Amino acid sequence: NAGVTQTPKFQVLKTGQSMTLQCAQDMNHEYMSWYRQDPGMGLRLIHYSVGAGITDQGEVPNGYNVSRSTTEDFPLRLLSAAPSQTSVYFCASSYFRGGNQPQHFGDGTRLSIL
Amino acid sequence: AQSVTQLDSQVPVFEEAPVELRCNYSSSVSVYLFWYVQYPNQGLQLLLKYLSGSTLVESINGFEAEFNKSQTSFHLRKPSVHISDTAEYFCAVRPASDNAGNMLTFGGGTRLMVKP
Repeated sequence: NAGVTQTPKFQVLKTGQSMTLQCAQDMNHEYMSWYRQDPGMGLRLIHYSVGAGITDQGEVPNGYNVSRSTTEDFPLRLLSAAPSQTSVYFCASSYFRGGNQPQHFGDGTRLSIL
Repeated sequence: AQSVTQLDSQVPVFEEAPVELRCNYSSSVSVYLFWYVQYPNQGLQLLLKYLSGSTLVESINGFEAEFNKSQTSFHLRKPSVHISDTAEYFCAVRPASDNAGNMLTFGGGTRLMVKP
């Protein structure tokens, strides 16, 4: 049972480069989301999706794009990396409705922008 | 909108001592409350949750949290900590409505450091 799988685990980029953080889940969850974790700020929601073809912005969406072509995958794209995007990124998934549905988190991608 | 404040960024404690990690929240609507734990280099795992009913909720590894509506708090406690409890703990809330989806608002986290 793989759960939520994030790749890569680590990445170093130069300012201005682009890249895609991959997230896949095998639990048939409708809801998927991306968070960034910064010291003292907890996790902040970047983008989320409530199903294939449906995405929306979270609290800190600027500089990031997402798409959801399948239930399983929810990639996060950095179009032009900036040092302020240095962070740890977590993908999470859950069933959409019902407060008793826990979110399942991946192990994170540690991203450094030089 | 909701907000969550974890009052302590770090809590050092000796092994077998009791501990309380504090969490206060603000919301204009009723909320569900959660505590997540993050061990080093891992993602977050659900520790316990309050949805309704008894205001005292417990986890399988000895943690408990009490929902206090009047004080808008959801403090996490353990009567005797172990070295293995060393981790970062996050308090989170979401609107108590099935139509609200599952978007969580997190506090800033509290790093629990258990010393031998």
